[in-house]
Amino acid sequence: EVQLVESGGGLAQPGGSLRLSCAASGFIFSSYSMNWVRQAPGRGPEWVSYISGFSRTIYYADSVKGRFTISRDDAKSSLYLQMNSLRAEDTAVYYCARADDGDCWGQGTLVTVSS
Amino acid sequence: DVVMTQSPLSLPVTLGQPASISCRSSQSLVYSDGNTYLNWFQQRPGQSPRRLIYKVSNRDSGVPDRFSGSGSGTDFTLKISRVEAEDVGVYYCMQATHWPPWTFGQGTKVEIK
Repeated sequence: EVQLVESGGGLAQPGGSLRLSCAASGFIFSSYSMNWVRQAPGRGPEWVSYISGFSRTIYYADSVKGRFTISRDDAKSSLYLQMNSLRAEDTAVYYCARADDGDCWGQGTLVTVSS
Repeated sequence: DVVMTQSPLSLPVTLGQPASISCRSSQSLVYSDGNTYLNWFQQRPGQSPRRLIYKVSNRDSGVPDRFSGSGSGTDFTLKISRVEAEDVGVYYCMQATHWPPWTFGQGTKVEIK
């Protein structure tokens, strides 16, 4: 069974940092591109970042470019999102999603940015 | 970025009756490989989004056959032939043709009358 389990969310102050993780199982992680998608309270999903297999290609949404860094460790079947210079508008549930068109999503981890 | 526009935003439905959600894109979603990367997601209350339909009309594994997708170019539709109680939630269309970024519709909230 394909599983994606996010962790690392919590409360951060404006300007602070958090590192999110996504542990994958049930499939050959290295063969898939991965994404981070977030959903602010009461809003629809918003794509955040993409990383291809072997980390060859990386994309970011304009809203996080220069502040967030996506990475992966295929040996650990894990995806990461380093979030720096956090803002109140980054408050959301963050999901990892598999593949170029999001065929499988995790349960999400809540990030709250507030003083 | 491609803008996805859904209607209606709220859809009260009687159990056992059909439901239909429309999604329009600001430009054609036909990719250079001939495929159209338009997906539909279901988000039940308190859950993460789950993909129901990919490439316009293909049901994901485990999705009941009362869900169907259709359309082409810029106009797409998700239909539920007979709504059941477990279908309550918010439905999103998403395009993955012109990315980055993926873009989503505003969501349609399906509730039981």
